Amino acid sequence: TQLLEQSPQFLSIQEGENLTVYCNSSSVFSSLQWYRQEPGEGPVLLVTVVTGGEVKKLKRLTFQFGDARKDSSLHITAAQPGDTGLYLCAALSNDYKLSFGAGTTVTVRA
Amino acid sequence: NAGVTQTPKFQVLKTGQSMTLQCAQDMNHEYMSWYRQDPGMGLRLIHYSVGAGITDQGEVPNGYNVSRSTTEDFPLRLLSAAPSQTSVYFCASSTRLEPDTQYFGPGTRLTVL
Repeated sequence: TQLLEQSPQFLSIQEGENLTVYCNSSSVFSSLQWYRQEPGEGPVLLVTVVTGGEVKKLKRLTFQFGDARKDSSLHITAAQPGDTGLYLCAALSNDYKLSFGAGTTVTVRA
Repeated sequence: NAGVTQTPKFQVLKTGQSMTLQCAQDMNHEYMSWYRQDPGMGLRLIHYSVGAGITDQGEVPNGYNVSRSTTEDFPLRLLSAAPSQTSVYFCASSTRLEPDTQYFGPGTRLTVL
């Protein structure tokens, strides 16, 4: 059983459309991270959210941490082909182990 | 800085063979970790280290050994390769102050026949 559940597993949209990816857990976290991974490369950190209810923006990407710090979402506005990739959420446990969700594969068609 | 480097990039082994995946970082990070990535399962922690001389098991440690003799290097040893160890392996590092901000290497794609 995954500590972090991501949905959907796959998402294919047309350029210019919006999309939202979800990361849910029954556990409370002190922080949550979102990574993006492109084929043949390692994941790259996009953002860390720390405070319940926090919203962070990174250009067309909006990240939100749930009020109870158990869930998070990633929203992409006007998606572009360059947004294509695997999006992973991750959270640190009390013993400093980082757990990852299974990931959402996003494909943006031109 | 080269960041986190991993060698080799690709490797094919026969069942029962042993090998070492190399990982090095030049950022003076205290924490280093090994993950394996399989389709539909995200990244799973194999072993990790919070400093030279200190290692601990992650979620899927069986069949793997690690050591941390220096801050820079964290090799992963497969003792007797099995087809179930076919995967992509990633090494990552982070500072003690920000353990959740991990920097990943480019990965090693391992196939065990």
